[in-house]
Amino acid sequence: KQEVTQIPAALSVPEGENLVLNCSFTDSAIYNLQWFRQDPGKGLTSLLLIQSSQREQTSGRLNASLDKSSGRSTLYIAASQPGDSATYLCAVRQAAGNKLTFGGGTRVLVKP
Amino acid sequence: DTGVSQDPRHKITKRGQNVTFRCDPISEHNRLYWYRQTLGQGPEFLTYFQNEAQLEKSRLLSDRFSAERPKGSFSTLEIQRTEQGDSAMYLCASSLQQGRHYGYTFGSGTRLTVV
Repeated sequence: KQEVTQIPAALSVPEGENLVLNCSFTDSAIYNLQWFRQDPGKGLTSLLLIQSSQREQTSGRLNASLDKSSGRSTLYIAASQPGDSATYLCAVRQAAGNKLTFGGGTRVLVKP
Repeated sequence: DTGVSQDPRHKITKRGQNVTFRCDPISEHNRLYWYRQTLGQGPEFLTYFQNEAQLEKSRLLSDRFSAERPKGSFSTLEIQRTEQGDSAMYLCASSLQQGRHYGYTFGSGTRLTVV
């Protein structure tokens, strides 16, 4: 059974600092991995999707890496801004199956 | 098409009442999913449809829960005889699978409070 863990559960940084969010998963037979952002009381906004054959994806200040063999992904957010404050969730889809398994999320606070 | 729409955004109901939620997916997406999220946790899978066929159901989906997707378009999730433990955010997502998978798009969710 796939298990996804995100550490730390919460993170507070001053504005301008780079953010590093970690995601680990127990079963490396994944189809893809997706990072989401969730604002309080809201739905999920997709940030980056990494297929299992890819090593990283970039979008603006965001970069996500994937090391499938070690069961890890890292989301980097450069030059953080107060607007980046949110909960960040990673989710994996298995190679066999159609559902996402989510981590518990990392709650980020960027202080002005 | 502006994305995945869910209705209502919030629902407060008394214990024992039935509730129904609606999800309108992105029109060209052939797969539709329901997830449940409790406070401070990541979403948990409930069920998914490929077109109109319900292909997988989680053990979390007790016999009080039923989901439909008539004609492979919108979907409804009904909870009968609601309990306080049903209080959660119910999230709908859709995706396109044609050869490869293009990732999931989530709606804004329906927050259910059972009092």
